[in-house]
Amino acid sequence: SQQGEEDPQALSIQEGENATMNCSYKTSINNLQWYRQNSGRGLVHLILIRSNEREKHSGRLRVTLDTSKKSSSLLITASRAADTASYFCATDSNTGNQFYFGTGTSLTVIP
Amino acid sequence: NAGVTQTPKFQVLKTGQSMTLQCAQDMNHEYMSWYRQDPGMGLRLIHYSVGAGITDQGEVPNGYNVSRSTTEDFPLRLLSAAPSQTSVYFCASSSTGHFAGEQFFGPGTRLTVL
Repeated sequence: SQQGEEDPQALSIQEGENATMNCSYKTSINNLQWYRQNSGRGLVHLILIRSNEREKHSGRLRVTLDTSKKSSSLLITASRAADTASYFCATDSNTGNQFYFGTGTSLTVIP
Repeated sequence: NAGVTQTPKFQVLKTGQSMTLQCAQDMNHEYMSWYRQDPGMGLRLIHYSVGAGITDQGEVPNGYNVSRSTTEDFPLRLLSAAPSQTSVYFCASSSTGHFAGEQFFGPGTRLTVL
């Protein structure tokens, strides 16, 4: 399987704190994406970072990518209770047509 | 726009029964895909399509068939349901084929096979 892995599997923080989750993957990529999934719902796209980029920001989200280590991190700053969800990274195949999702990090933000 | 819609939301089947999970999108997206999500496994790609008339296998295609006769619809067929196919199924679409970017997901179908 080319499925990646997120770390940690579960994370619990207080509102206002920062949350960092990591993703490791196995093969070379064209781009890496992060998604959020609220309980019982579909996934929602958060951010995409291309293989030639090292860092990207979107609002309270900061994503880094290290292709030499085949890893990425997602930082959520000033977390809110509404950020409580599972977060998944997704990488693409060399053809760009298949996507491999990680096992997810379950984030709980305590008000 | 409704985005990506899936029907039914819930389904219970007996082993050996067949059924079709429906997926439709109204964003004129070329790329569509089906995933299954199992506890602790993340999402795994079953089949995908880069346009009408073109389909291909993903990571876990066995036991599933797909067709893509129109841009809008991408049904997933279970020919003979097995308990191992108990899962939550998600359909997704994207505006591009190769190196597809943001994928839009449907709300999912929760399938139980007894």
